[in-house]
Amino acid sequence: QVQLQQSGPGLVKASQTLSVTCAISGDSVSSKSAGWNWVRQSPSRGLEWLGRTFYRSKWHNEYAVSVRGRISINPDTSKNQFSLQMTSVTPGDTAIYYCARGVGSTPSDYNMDVWGKGTTVTVS
Amino acid sequence: QSVLTQPPSVSGAPGQWVTISCTGSSSNIGADYAVHWYQRLPGTAPRLLIYGDYNRPSGVTDRFSGSRSGTSASLAITGLQAEDEADYYCQSFDNNLRHWVFGGGTKLTVL
Repeated sequence: QVQLQQSGPGLVKASQTLSVTCAISGDSVSSKSAGWNWVRQSPSRGLEWLGRTFYRSKWHNEYAVSVRGRISINPDTSKNQFSLQMTSVTPGDTAIYYCARGVGSTPSDYNMDVWGKGTTVTVS
Repeated sequence: QSVLTQPPSVSGAPGQWVTISCTGSSSNIGADYAVHWYQRLPGTAPRLLIYGDYNRPSGVTDRFSGSRSGTSASLAITGLQAEDEADYYCQSFDNNLRHWVFGGGTKLTVL
């Protein structure tokens, strides 16, 4: 059974960097069939896909247009986890941040079948 | 404003049937990209409910079903139960943005 365990600070000051980590059990961050995603939930934006990292002979990252340039998602194979870093945060980045496993061989099929419990991040 | 449009809320009495719509455009649902649905119970993480338009993951009751037509998709819930009270989200791929998008979410109230 795949489980995702999130950790990270709940409070970040404006203009600083948000950092959240997602530890994987029951699967591998280096899986050649899964992708590892970050999604956030806020009252104003609903659910918003932020980006993903995945391994297909080499590492790839893809990011949403809305946060591109501020976001970095990095795998850590030694700890079987992946992390989200978002720079220059504003109160508008206040949200619940979820990590999720993505499965599906095409962009159309791709869905998120396992989710972490979420980390509430407040930017003050 | 979300790329995929859902009604903010729907409601129904126990035992009744409700549908939740998800309206997209020619760059996502209308381009034949599949729609997936998630349920978010209060205080919990989203759960995959329907994938590939109409498929249910193991463990999801057949009271939930998905369909699509043109630039829209729908989630139907039959035999409403109090435990179905949750937020529901659709998700698809958008060819203009070149990444995945969600609907704004629909809050289901069981009266």
